[in-house]
Amino acid sequence: AQSVAQPEDQVNVAEGNPLTVKCTYSVSGNPYLFWYVQYPNRGLQFLLKYITGDNLVKGSYGFEAEFNKSQTSFHLKKPSALVSDSALYFCAVRVLSGGYNKLIFGAGTRLAVHP
Amino acid sequence: ETGVTQTPRHLVMGMTNKKSLKCEQHLGHNAMYWYKQSAKKPLELMFVYNFKEQTENNSVPSRFSPECPNSSHLFLHLHTLQPEDSALYLCASSQDATSGSLYEQYFGPGTRLTVT
Repeated sequence: AQSVAQPEDQVNVAEGNPLTVKCTYSVSGNPYLFWYVQYPNRGLQFLLKYITGDNLVKGSYGFEAEFNKSQTSFHLKKPSALVSDSALYFCAVRVLSGGYNKLIFGAGTRLAVHP
Repeated sequence: ETGVTQTPRHLVMGMTNKKSLKCEQHLGHNAMYWYKQSAKKPLELMFVYNFKEQTENNSVPSRFSPECPNSSHLFLHLHTLQPEDSALYLCASSQDATSGSLYEQYFGPGTRLTVT
């Protein structure tokens, strides 16, 4: 079955420290991967995507993600966390259904950045 | 703002009521989506419309009825809901949903639905 796993319900980081939010996937064929962020009382916002090419993808707000095919992972990273990065983060993978794209989302990881 | 608006933002309804959720996108996209977000559960895709045609119905109960009159508007009609239907309902849009396109989706702020 095609799926996305985010093994951590919550990640706690001190402001200024690097952060990593983990994601692993299981898909048939080439993986197309996405990260979204959800702030309180808001919808999801697109951060970045991996389609092909360079394994390190840069996105919005200083975030980047590293695609690792052998480990089937797509971890989200940021060199220096801000308190304002505190939010819910979702990893997603594209699957095909009847010739159309749809996204399968992980359960989400809550990131808490402490001053 | 993402260019996707949803109304109402909050809705409380009884199990015998009929109500509708509205979504509008101002991005010129051709695909629109309904998702259900419940606490402690992954986002659940409910329906997909591409160029106004429904391409996905993810085994959603018939008490949820979508309508897509044009590429900019999407409705979710609700009737005889159950308390377990209480959730955040998110609308999203993308340029296209066909297999050859890999466009990201843009989400609205959601409608927080409570069924009493």
